[in-house]
Amino acid sequence: GAVVSQHPSWVICKSGTSVKIECRSLDFQATTMFWYRQFPKQSLMLMATSNEGSKATYEQGVEKDKFLINHASLTLSTLTVTSAHPEDSSFYICSASGLASGNEQFFGPGTRLTVL
Amino acid sequence: GQQVMQIPQYQHVQEGEDFTTYCNSSTTLSNIQWYKQRPGGHPVFLIQLVKSGEVKKQKRLTFQFGEAKKNSSLHITATQTTDVGTYFCAGRWAYKYIFGTGTRLKVLA
Repeated sequence: GAVVSQHPSWVICKSGTSVKIECRSLDFQATTMFWYRQFPKQSLMLMATSNEGSKATYEQGVEKDKFLINHASLTLSTLTVTSAHPEDSSFYICSASGLASGNEQFFGPGTRLTVL
Repeated sequence: GQQVMQIPQYQHVQEGEDFTTYCNSSTTLSNIQWYKQRPGGHPVFLIQLVKSGEVKKQKRLTFQFGEAKKNSSLHITATQTTDVGTYFCAGRWAYKYIFGTGTRLKVLA
């Protein structure tokens, strides 16, 4: 299957700082990238859907000014958690799909964010 | 909003026993996907079902999509310790996928 990377794999930051997470599709062009959030032993909650070159579509209850998403190229999407607070601590996972993959989503390894 | 529920939430089986997880959506789905997530890992795509009543098999795994395209099931025959993990269904509604609540499977050797 296709490979999706995420960076960093984990990050610890102080409350009030901003954190950027990168999601890259390494061997295919990702026209759509999804950002999920997963709490321990729970399911994946879709935060937003981003299509290359256009604004992200955010799910109900997700603050777009707090979780900034940029999908500037067919291989890179970024999620920036602005003014992070302890309640933002979670596992953030991206997935990517493209014309070549059909509807199949290829998931990145995830980023563990801890806000102190 | 759209909800996708899975039952059971947890299942412990003896190695060699069968296992089934059920997925139920509150809305009609375009298609449904199944994923497996190992502890500490990320979801890995297993299969996609599109047609009403579709049945697909992958070795010991059998996947079904309901006639009304609102429910699905995953059945594992003769479980092995390598089957351990959480199984999620993900139903496509409009442009997005809604993940089910997941079923955590433990296989006792």
